[in-house]
Amino acid sequence: DAKTTQPNSMESNEEEPVHLPCNHSTISGTDYIHWYRQLPSQGPEYVIHGLTSNVNNRMASLAIAEDRKSSTLILHRATLRDAAVYYCILRDAGTGNQFYFGTGTSLTVIP
Amino acid sequence: NAGVTQTPKFQVLKTGQSMTLQCAQDMNHEYMSWYRQDPGMGLRLIHYSVGAGITDQGEVPNGYNVSRSTTEDFPLRLLSAAPSQTSVYFCASRQQGYTEAFFGQGTRLTVV
Repeated sequence: DAKTTQPNSMESNEEEPVHLPCNHSTISGTDYIHWYRQLPSQGPEYVIHGLTSNVNNRMASLAIAEDRKSSTLILHRATLRDAAVYYCILRDAGTGNQFYFGTGTSLTVIP
Repeated sequence: NAGVTQTPKFQVLKTGQSMTLQCAQDMNHEYMSWYRQDPGMGLRLIHYSVGAGITDQGEVPNGYNVSRSTTEDFPLRLLSAAPSQTSVYFCASRQQGYTEAFFGQGTRLTVV
């Protein structure tokens, strides 16, 4: 599976938008981009995923660069509950049965 | 709907002891997997299964055994615990064709 690179940590003020970047320069054409987050003392939870087009759901938006070598997870209004470690993961749609996590970005939300 | 249930939540073992970490899901998911998470690190895949009777190794399988006799259950066995296996263990399940995986709350294992 291709590798992803994320900043180790980021901070955001409460109720402001947050842009979490992810670089994946070796992404292949069949790799989906997934985001999961892990709240303190909990298991990871699904946030969003996409292939080529930007995606929106109730939790977040995913912006994918045109060359697909990078993507950005957007939290539109950060809340204290959004403080977590965010993982950007690539998974091959055809052969990647499981997820390979990196170290993720630890997001701190400042009241 | 319980989702993915892991037992126990906490466990302390002595070096050389054996134990089984239990994982059960009630969503009829085909895919199940085990991860370990060490301090300051992301999750690393130990073993996974794509259906009853089928298992395969992940990144860090040494020291662990798994079996999948039913769709619901995917136990992880430590045959002879070592201090290096001190970690938090997460079980996950996913339906074939869907990308959202559901994780359990984790088992915190300490080997002394």
